[in-house]
Amino acid sequence: GAVVSQHPSWVICKSGTSVKIECRSLDFQATTMFWYRQFPKQSLMLMATSNEGSKATYEQGVEKDKFLINHASLTLSTLTVTSAHPEDSSFYICSARDTGVSEAFFGQGTRLTVV
Amino acid sequence: QKEVEQNSGPLSVPEGAIASLNCTYSDRGSQSFFWYRQYSGKSPELIMSIYSNGDQEDGRFTAQLNKASQYVSLLIRDSQPSDSATYLCAVIFDRGSTLGRLYFGRGTQLTVWP
Repeated sequence: GAVVSQHPSWVICKSGTSVKIECRSLDFQATTMFWYRQFPKQSLMLMATSNEGSKATYEQGVEKDKFLINHASLTLSTLTVTSAHPEDSSFYICSARDTGVSEAFFGQGTRLTVV
Repeated sequence: QKEVEQNSGPLSVPEGAIASLNCTYSDRGSQSFFWYRQYSGKSPELIMSIYSNGDQEDGRFTAQLNKASQYVSLLIRDSQPSDSATYLCAVIFDRGSTLGRLYFGRGTQLTVWP
């Protein structure tokens, strides 16, 4: 059942550059995708919710111009961290949900380090 | 306010024992409840879903829901060292839909010692 693939699993980038993270649902159509960030020993923090073909809904305090989310198809969503800074270093995780289904499944996560 | 509360632990049990993890939530109208397991450095993995009052069993795992008390729990029977992880309780608060966003608790860290 429900496989979500996230790429890359880790990335190191220089401060000021942009990084794109991909999230794919492999065996279902992900009507809704969620993007989370998790700092060490802390809980998941929802950044945004995206529905296929619509603009993402960002949580309060999350800069939509810095964290660009695209959900152009039912199997792919991307998160681009623009002009990354060291404080953006974190574990980014996507989660996807099939049409009409409550359960959400997570990708493997991407560990971003900005140097 | 939408809140999901968990005892952060750590909860430590011996191998073979029953581990009991608890979660309370703030909205009595909530309809959908989930337990995720997260190993250190990994992403969460869905292990149980429950929607109706009572117990739901899957192998060594039993989820229990009491909507009147706004309480959901996870029992792990015959605990194994490989069960050592952080367990996250998640709730969908939307009364009219089971498709809203998930609200997560902070997680309970479980250690099963041999």
